[in-house]
Amino acid sequence: GAVVSQHPSWVICKSGTSVKIECRSLDFQATTMFWYRQFPKQSLMLMATSNEGSKATYEQGVEKDKFLINHASLTLSTLTVTSAHPEDSSFYICSASVRPGYGYTFGSGTRLTVV
Amino acid sequence: KNQVEQSPQSLIILEGKNCTLQCNYTVSPFSNLRWYKQDTGRGPVSLTIMTFSENTKSNGRYTATLDADTKQSSLHITASQLSDSASYICVVSADYGGSQGNLIFGKGTKLSVKP
Repeated sequence: GAVVSQHPSWVICKSGTSVKIECRSLDFQATTMFWYRQFPKQSLMLMATSNEGSKATYEQGVEKDKFLINHASLTLSTLTVTSAHPEDSSFYICSASVRPGYGYTFGSGTRLTVV
Repeated sequence: KNQVEQSPQSLIILEGKNCTLQCNYTVSPFSNLRWYKQDTGRGPVSLTIMTFSENTKSNGRYTATLDADTKQSSLHITASQLSDSASYICVVSADYGGSQGNLIFGKGTKLSVKP
């Protein structure tokens, strides 16, 4: 149980375009989802907390207008990287939780390369 | 400042050997500690989770220990296999009085198992 599906697993896009990454909880309802970014040889860095039916909470230093998060249902959260630039190239990972603070399950990650 | 420090940064062992990874944390208040295995280019997968009252938890060849007094945890891998090659991440959850849990990630230990 507690499977989180993330799509796509990798994407290459041109600089200036937008990319959408989906995170789905397959067998449970996720009231809260989290989006992380991981640079090579670095730890996961929390970008934002996505709450179903309300606005996402962004961590300090994360541009909310650049990283649009939508959590319109209890099983789906999307992260859209708008006007992507090469420095946005990274590994993006989502996680979902049925209950805050416990039972986190991570998606398989999305490798974004902006050229 | 809440921090999670892992050692060693990287480790190379021969197949069949045992190894122990360390995690020291300065997180307060403390909710739980988890060990994750992250294969290259994949999302983290949970190995163990321990609360304050638990001092050991096993998952197959993986055994985690927790000393809440000294704020130290270890992950022991027995009879290593080539498939154990991955990054192992220690994650501590800070309990902020029932509000959304705050996960503090270590940078991970990169384990390479050689034949």
